[in-house]
Amino acid sequence: QKEVEQDPGPLSVPEGAIVSLNCTYSNSAFQYFMWYRQYSRKGPELLMYTYSSGNKEDGRFTAQVDKSSKYISLFIRDSQPSDSATYLCAMKRNTDKLIFGTGTRLQVFP
Amino acid sequence: DVKVTQSSRYLVKRTGEKVFLECVQDMDHENMFWYRQDPGLGLRLIYFSYDVKMKEKGDIPEGYSVSREKKERFSLILESASTNQTSMYLCASSLLGGGEQYFGPGTRLTVT
Repeated sequence: QKEVEQDPGPLSVPEGAIVSLNCTYSNSAFQYFMWYRQYSRKGPELLMYTYSSGNKEDGRFTAQVDKSSKYISLFIRDSQPSDSATYLCAMKRNTDKLIFGTGTRLQVFP
Repeated sequence: DVKVTQSSRYLVKRTGEKVFLECVQDMDHENMFWYRQDPGLGLRLIYFSYDVKMKEKGDIPEGYSVSREKKERFSLILESASTNQTSMYLCASSLLGGGEQYFGPGTRLTVT
């Protein structure tokens, strides 16, 4: 079993939809949780960074961590075609090494 | 603004060649990382370094080596390139103890 599981998609939604992206993990020692966005042929860029359980909001993006269920989510409100990208979840313990999910490809069509 | 640059965006090499991929960061980060990214497998850590001349193996170090002679520069070396090393290579950096890794644009390497 992989430490981090992420549905690869693709997920295709119309412009304006609410998008929910999810990851599950098996290691309860993970404390730091991140979401990266990667456009085609580019490197990943950090989108959201949360510590432990709870919610964090930044504009149209909300990151949610449920440590009891070992489940993290990224919600995108009012999705735009420019949100079309691959979204990678990542997490770490008290070390500097990140464990990444395989990424979910999102397509937002006009 | 953190900037991580990689020496090439696209590279084509022949089997058996020695390949150097270079990464430079301008934010005085202690940590630097090399990953490869393949469809369906995600990002896999090859090597990382937390200080000059220090290195640690990641999950898939076989066939690779690294060099860090200066804090801002981290090189990935393929001693004898093979076709199964065709991939996207990504470099990243972070502060020591910091969770956020900042990535370069990637090098798409094709070995023929």
